Order: sequence, then structure tokens, then C-alpha cells
Amino acid sequence: GQNIDQPTEMTATEGAIVQINCTYQTSGFNGLFWYQQHAGEAPTFLSYNVLDGLEEKGRFSSFLSRSKGYSYLLLKELQMKDSASYLCAVLNSNYQLIWGAGTKLIIKP
Amino acid sequence: DGGITQSPKYLFRKEGQNVTLSCEQNLNHDAMYWYRQDPGQGLRLIYYSQIVNDFQKGDIAEGYSVSREKKESFPLTVTSAQKNPTAFYLCASSDLETSTDTQYFGPGTRLTVL
Repeated sequence: GQNIDQPTEMTATEGAIVQINCTYQTSGFNGLFWYQQHAGEAPTFLSYNVLDGLEEKGRFSSFLSRSKGYSYLLLKELQMKDSASYLCAVLNSNYQLIWGAGTKLIIKP
Repeated sequence: DGGITQSPKYLFRKEGQNVTLSCEQNLNHDAMYWYRQDPGQGLRLIYYSQIVNDFQKGDIAEGYSVSREKKESFPLTVTSAQKNPTAFYLCASSDLETSTDTQYFGPGTRLTVL
């Protein structure tokens, strides 16, 4: 079967750095996405990785290792507004998007 | 102002009634998708469409129906055959011309069946 694993919940402190991990086992790979979803709202696109390495976008960075089936989302200088769920999703060989259950990030002052 | 709209944001229905959720996009995207989201679970694909007048079943199509008569519109009907229809329903679209095929979401409709 295909599956995406992410921690269910993480807690971090305002101003700190947090790394949210995602491991995947899918039938083929055509890219990995990270989305942010605030409670009661729709997911919004954060990043896309298809090649190994780190992609930096402001306070957010996303890393991919295809050989390990692993990605992480790194959030720096955490702000209270970063409290949300972070969804990892992989585009498989059939161009179907396989979704993880999401990681709920709680930011404490 | 381009985007995806879904209406209504909240919907209440009695058990046994069919209900149709609206999804419209003005992004000129070819592909549109319907997902269901339940607490503690990943998004699950109900139906998707890559071209007008054609659509495909996703992982949990039973009890649902769709139509794609126009490129901009992809309404979802939740029928009385759907066993547990109470959920958060998300519509998305993507531009198949791009290499990333990134999906962009509407605001969602929260359906509660009483």
C-alpha cells in the first residue's frame, strides 16, 4: 500500500525553530508538496520538491531525500500565526496525490 | 481576482436528503478535484476531472456524484446512499500545463447531516 507518515502533533515556542518530518512509501514519485492548513480553513500551498536538497522560501524551508523517502519542513522564527496543521503529500507515478494525516503545530508564547 | 469559490460555507441537511455542493474556479485550470476531510485523517479523493464532460472516481466515490459541464464548474452531489456524509468537503483545481501540477483549494464546505 501507499502511505505517508507524519507526527500527529508538535509543540514549539514563539521565536524558535521547528522541523516537521514526513516519510513516504508510494508507487513511484513525481514530487512532494507541503501545505499549511489553519483550523476550519482550506490548505494553502507552501512548497514543492522534486529533486533532492533544500528549497528555501523565507522563514520556511523544505528538504527532500528521495533515496530515503523522507522530507522535512523547517520553520524558523516561529510566530503565533504559524499555529496550524502542516500536510505532506506525494504525487505518485500515476500523478495521484497521496496525503498524510497532517501535523498539528502548537506555538506557545 | 482569480480563485476558487465554494458555497455554502456551512450546510445542514436531514438524513436521507441529497445535497449539492458548488465549486467554481476562474483560474482557467483544466483539472478539478473533490476531497473529503475527517478529523485525524488525510484528505481523501472523491472524484476528479481533467477535462469537460469527463471525470474519474477517486478512492471514496460511493454515495457521491459529480458533473463537469463547464470548465469552471465541478459540483458535487452527496446522495442519501453516502453512509457518513458529515465532513469538511474541499474542492481544488490545478493547471495540467505546469510541471508541478500544484493543487489550489477553495475555502471548503462543512456539511452536517442531522
